[in-house]
Amino acid sequence: AQTVTQSQPEMSVQEAETVTLSCTYDTSENNYYLFWYKQPPSRQMILVIRQEAYKQQNATENRFSVNFQKAAKSFSLKISDSQLGDTAMYFCAFRYSGSARQLTFGSGTQLTVLP
Amino acid sequence: DTEVTQTPKHLVMGMTNKKSLKCEQHMGHRAMYWYKQKAKKPPELMFVYSYEKLSINESVPSRFSPECPNSSLLNLHLHALQPEDSALYLCASSQDWGTSGDGPDTQYFGPGTRLTVL
Repeated sequence: AQTVTQSQPEMSVQEAETVTLSCTYDTSENNYYLFWYKQPPSRQMILVIRQEAYKQQNATENRFSVNFQKAAKSFSLKISDSQLGDTAMYFCAFRYSGSARQLTFGSGTQLTVLP
Repeated sequence: DTEVTQTPKHLVMGMTNKKSLKCEQHMGHRAMYWYKQKAKKPPELMFVYSYEKLSINESVPSRFSPECPNSSLLNLHLHALQPEDSALYLCASSQDWGTSGDGPDTQYFGPGTRLTVL
């Protein structure tokens, strides 16, 4: 069974600075998908970014980018130019390729952006 | 449009009450999900519907009863709940590639219903 580990329960960053959230996973499969979701105090889980394991190029969405290291089974999220609205719980998630639908979530990292 | 709506936003119920949570999406997705989330924890999968059929039940107690009347709607019927069932209940939907192909099958979440059982 796959596992997803987020080793940083809490992090803080100054506004406009850059922060990196770490995520590692364990799987014996070769094809899978990885996601980062954010959950602000409003509670809604919002997709931040996703990565297909077969793609070597790291995904980027505006200020959000990932460092995907397949051999190391690492999937970190970098947030550039942090904004107060980035304050949220961030969950890393894993899904096998194919018809399996379950997402496996990490335990989450609470990020606080300080003014 | 990646909107999933959920009603009500908040619900307080006694242990003998019967209530329902509602979820709706209009993205043409064919898979819908119910999750339970406790504070500061990741969501826990409860049920998955694929093409309006229940495909996954994660050993959820029978006091939770899901229903999928059509491809856009998902209900969760609640009866005789316990205080430990108090949580945020999240609905999500995805394209569901199933056996017709493959893709990230990204799940899009609703804002959740905050349930308190007294």
